[in-house]
Amino acid sequence: EVQLVESGGGLVQPGGSLRLSCSASGFTFSRYAMSWVRQAPGKGLEWVSSISGSGGSTYYADSVKGHFTISRDNSKNSLYLQMNSLRAEDTAVYYCAKLQLSGGYYFDYWGQGTLVTVSS
Amino acid sequence: SYELTQPPSVSVSPGQTARITCSGDALPKRYAFWYQQRSGQAPVLVIYEDNKRPSGIPERFSGSRSGTTATLTVSGAQVEDEADYYCYSTDSNVNYWVFGGGTKLTVL
Repeated sequence: EVQLVESGGGLVQPGGSLRLSCSASGFTFSRYAMSWVRQAPGKGLEWVSSISGSGGSTYYADSVKGHFTISRDNSKNSLYLQMNSLRAEDTAVYYCAKLQLSGGYYFDYWGQGTLVTVSS
Repeated sequence: SYELTQPPSVSVSPGQTARITCSGDALPKRYAFWYQQRSGQAPVLVIYEDNKRPSGIPERFSGSRSGTTATLTVSGAQVEDEADYYCYSTDSNVNYWVFGGGTKLTVL
């Protein structure tokens, strides 16, 4: 059974940093690209970032390019999101999602999410 | 940028058929995918590659795509189907990975 468990969320001041983690199990982690998707309170889903199975290729939404960094450690079955220069508009539940290839990619399994609140 | 457009809400009585549409210029060339998100829960994939159901998803969920519009159909909707539904796809060059704005399905 695929399981994705996020951690690392919390309250941070504007301009601060936070590192999210996602622990994966139930599949061969290194074979799959992974993503972060976020959802601001009361709003819809927004793709944030993706990373290839090897970690050699990364992709970012324009809204986070230059201040978020995605990475992974295949030896630990873990995915990370380093978030710097946080702004109020980054407040959201952040979901870790496994990617499946189908022409393009889509998200086939999701974690339960971790809440990030950016506020003074 | 790229956008997918969904109606904000759809309402049906139990047992009726609910149809949720998703419009996007690249849909003639790209698959559509659908996610169900119940209140306070993570999204769940209900339709992939336009019309395929993952294991465990009830047969009353089906999908189709024609031209620039994809449609999620819930045949014989049940109260437990009340949720937000999001379509997802990419632009033609797979540069933008986009969700629709979401549709709140009410069954009562």
